[in-house]
Amino acid sequence: DAGVIQSPRHEVTEMGQEVTLRCKPISGHDYLFWYRQTMMRGLELLIYFNNNVPIDDSGMPEDRFSAKMPNASFSTLKIQPSEPRDSAVYFCASRRQGGTDTQYFGPGTRLTVL
Amino acid sequence: AQSVTQPDIHITVSEGASLELRCNYSYGATPYLFWYVQSPGQGLQLLLKYFSGDTLVQGIKGFEAEFKRSQSSFNLRKPSVHWSDAAEYFCAVVYSGYNKLIFGAGTRLAVHP
Repeated sequence: DAGVIQSPRHEVTEMGQEVTLRCKPISGHDYLFWYRQTMMRGLELLIYFNNNVPIDDSGMPEDRFSAKMPNASFSTLKIQPSEPRDSAVYFCASRRQGGTDTQYFGPGTRLTVL
Repeated sequence: AQSVTQPDIHITVSEGASLELRCNYSYGATPYLFWYVQSPGQGLQLLLKYFSGDTLVQGIKGFEAEFKRSQSSFNLRKPSVHWSDAAEYFCAVVYSGYNKLIFGAGTRLAVHP
């Protein structure tokens, strides 16, 4: 089975530009999570979805960040406008229904905002 | 607040030496515990997990971890470290009835030849 797929793997953009990160979860998984990883703050949960519905977005840093999941096989995380402090690695993860099930992580998108 | 503590930010061991990485979680409802490993430039890979039953769990790559409820700990061990084990290791917990996985800050492992 294919794992969680993220694109692009690397993104370099200039401050003020819109950035869209993409994620395809593992087929059959009902939960999708977006994380951000930085040296200063470690791994932070930004938002998660259950059955395509956003459940908890309390980790989204500000209104510049938005996430959608239009169907069970695709999610986006958008930053508009981007700022240098958004530079980080963004991970997508998915898991099946059941709070104790394993989260499987994608390879991440390394975002650099100049 | 629910939290996970990994007291050691960096650990260096010699190849072939034994390893123990510490993890403590805040007391709460039934914890479900995980160890993930992240190699440079890679995503997180599950090493092992504990849900219930035998408190000593075996994982991939020769790792094991022991759950000690009395100490709120879930330490990761390996009897003989290989150079390829150099990576960052994350302990994580999710509590029964919740969906969020809470991660520790990670321990970066270096292996000397």
